[in-house]
Amino acid sequence: SFDLTQPPSVSVSPGQTASITCSGDDLGDQYVCWYRQKPGQSPVLVIYEDNKRPSGIPERLSGSNSGNTATLTISGTQAMDEGDYYCQAWGSSTVIFGGGTKLTVL
Amino acid sequence: QVQLLQSGAEMKRPGASVRVSCKASGYTFTDYYMHWVRQAPGQGLEWMGMISPSTTSTTYAQKFQGRVTMTRDTSTRTVYMEMSSLTFEDTAVYYCARDHLTSVGGLGYWGQGTLVTVSS
Repeated sequence: SFDLTQPPSVSVSPGQTASITCSGDDLGDQYVCWYRQKPGQSPVLVIYEDNKRPSGIPERLSGSNSGNTATLTISGTQAMDEGDYYCQAWGSSTVIFGGGTKLTVL
Repeated sequence: QVQLLQSGAEMKRPGASVRVSCKASGYTFTDYYMHWVRQAPGQGLEWMGMISPSTTSTTYAQKFQGRVTMTRDTSTRTVYMEMSSLTFEDTAVYYCARDHLTSVGGLGYWGQGTLVTVSS
């Protein structure tokens, strides 16, 4: 089965750049989405089709996808960016989620 | 604005079935696939399947095939997810989520979640 692998946790200082990776076989051949989830809340789509932002998502969130790795980059990280981030792609006509990465802003 | 309103929390015994509803508003109901995603306590997101409200075509994750049924009622703009033979491991928050724009554009709108607790 198609698996997506994310680091369990990433830490970043306020104002610095955070990068969260998502790895899978030939992941660059398909579109990847990213979601942010805060405790007790529903997930929110923050990046779709590799690098597009839905309305209301700030420009400091960006995405890329090439080869076997997709990356979510958060520039000028703020405390409000803390949360769990999940990547998502498709495998055999089914939706696949990565295991999630907890982003901590120290 | 797009809204997905889910039914309330459920408590079930092992072996029972549960049905969760998701009422959509703010868009053309038949234009977008609806997905169901669950999240066990302290765990990640798990995709269960999806339904086309237009054609009723369904695709289920292999893990749930034979145990989950997704249906829709266009008159009430409501999608349902029913799961049978519940076990303790099915305790989770269940979300409905709508395609953002296209089938590969992610899940752009989510319901508030429905907690299903399986307990003896």
